[in-house]
Amino acid sequence: EVQLQQSGAELVRPGTSVKLSCKVSGDTITAYYMHFVKQRPGQGLEWIGRIDPEDDSTKYAEKFKNKATLTADTSSNTAYLKLSSLTSEDTATYFCTTGGLRFDYWGQGVMVTVSS
Amino acid sequence: DIQMTQSPSSMSASLGDRVTITCQASQDIGNNLIWFQQKPGKSPRPMIYYATNLANGVPSRFSGSRSGSDYSLTISSLESEDMADYHCLQYKQYPFTFGSGTKLEIK
Repeated sequence: EVQLQQSGAELVRPGTSVKLSCKVSGDTITAYYMHFVKQRPGQGLEWIGRIDPEDDSTKYAEKFKNKATLTADTSSNTAYLKLSSLTSEDTATYFCTTGGLRFDYWGQGVMVTVSS
Repeated sequence: DIQMTQSPSSMSASLGDRVTITCQASQDIGNNLIWFQQKPGKSPRPMIYYATNLANGVPSRFSGSRSGSDYSLTISSLESEDMADYHCLQYKQYPFTFGSGTKLEIK
């Protein structure tokens, strides 16, 4: 069974960066694209982007192009989401998800709080 | 970008009711749409993929349909465990886009 384990909650200062991890078990990370999704408190879901761990190619939603960077490490079966120049607007839960176009597998989500 | 207009934003229904939630796509997406259920504090769970196909383990009271650019998720007979938020996602074209979500409450 494929499982995605995300890193722990983060409390970060405005203007800084944070790097979140999503470790795949039960399959190789190269089996599917890895997507990341944002959910602000009490709000809907936003698609941030996806990475193909096979060749590191990426696609991003326009609003996240200067905010998010997706990377993958095949040796550790882990994908990463780096968020830069953090503001209060980035306070949210971030999910990783994979499993082809059925989006069968989801991480548990990681809460990022941006506060001084 | 493809806009997904989801309605209603919230609704309240009684146990046993038939419930329908709709997403309208601003451009042709074919059947490239997924419906997710999300309970408080949990990750989204795929319910319907490719617009009309029931995901593994999903009760048969859930169904998906399409009429032109309108996509519907229907619960034929509402049960208490169906109280949740529901989201649609189009994956026809990048960037993928979600609907704004529907909060389903039990009367």
